[in-house]
Amino acid sequence: NAGVTQTPKFQVLKTGQSMTLQCAQDMNHEYMSWYRQDPGMGLRLIHYSVGAGITDQGEVPNGYNVSRSTTEDFPLRLLSAAPSQTSVYFCASRLREEAVTEAFFGQGTRLTVV
Amino acid sequence: AQSVAQPEDQVNVAEGNPLTVKCTYSVSGNPYLFWYVQYPNRGLQFLLKYITGDNLVKGSYGFEAEFNKSQTSFHLKKPSALVSDSALYFCAVRDIGAAGNKLTFGGGTRVLVKP
Repeated sequence: NAGVTQTPKFQVLKTGQSMTLQCAQDMNHEYMSWYRQDPGMGLRLIHYSVGAGITDQGEVPNGYNVSRSTTEDFPLRLLSAAPSQTSVYFCASRLREEAVTEAFFGQGTRLTVV
Repeated sequence: AQSVAQPEDQVNVAEGNPLTVKCTYSVSGNPYLFWYVQYPNRGLQFLLKYITGDNLVKGSYGFEAEFNKSQTSFHLKKPSALVSDSALYFCAVRDIGAAGNKLTFGGGTRVLVKP
């Protein structure tokens, strides 16, 4: 059971480039989310999805797009990378939106925008 | 809006001594509370949670946390710290019934256990 898998683990982008961070889970979880982690600020929610075909914005959505075409996958797209998007990105999943179960996290993607 | 505060950026403790990591929260309804730990270059790992019932919750690796509704706190504790407990700890809250059932994290507390 792989859990939550993120790719790539590291990435360096030039300002203005675009890229997609991949996230896949094999636990049949309905709820998936993306966070960014910055020093002293904890994890901040970027976007989330309560099921296939449904996405919504979190706390810091600007500059990011998401889609959820399948239960398993929840990619995060950076349309035009900016240095302010340098961060560590985590994908997480849990069983359902209303479930009291804990979230499972991927190992993270460390992104540097130069 | 829900929020979480971890007032200490870093906690230093000697191996074998008790460890406490503080967390206070703010929600409009009833909270679900969680503690996660992050080791270097790793994702977050679940430690324990409070949903309802007994205010003292026991979790992984000998950790426990006490829910105090009147003080809106959920402090993480371990009776005898190990060097291997050195990591970054996050408290998180979900406001039951709030739109989106989102998980909000505190800023994190770095724990350093010295031999």
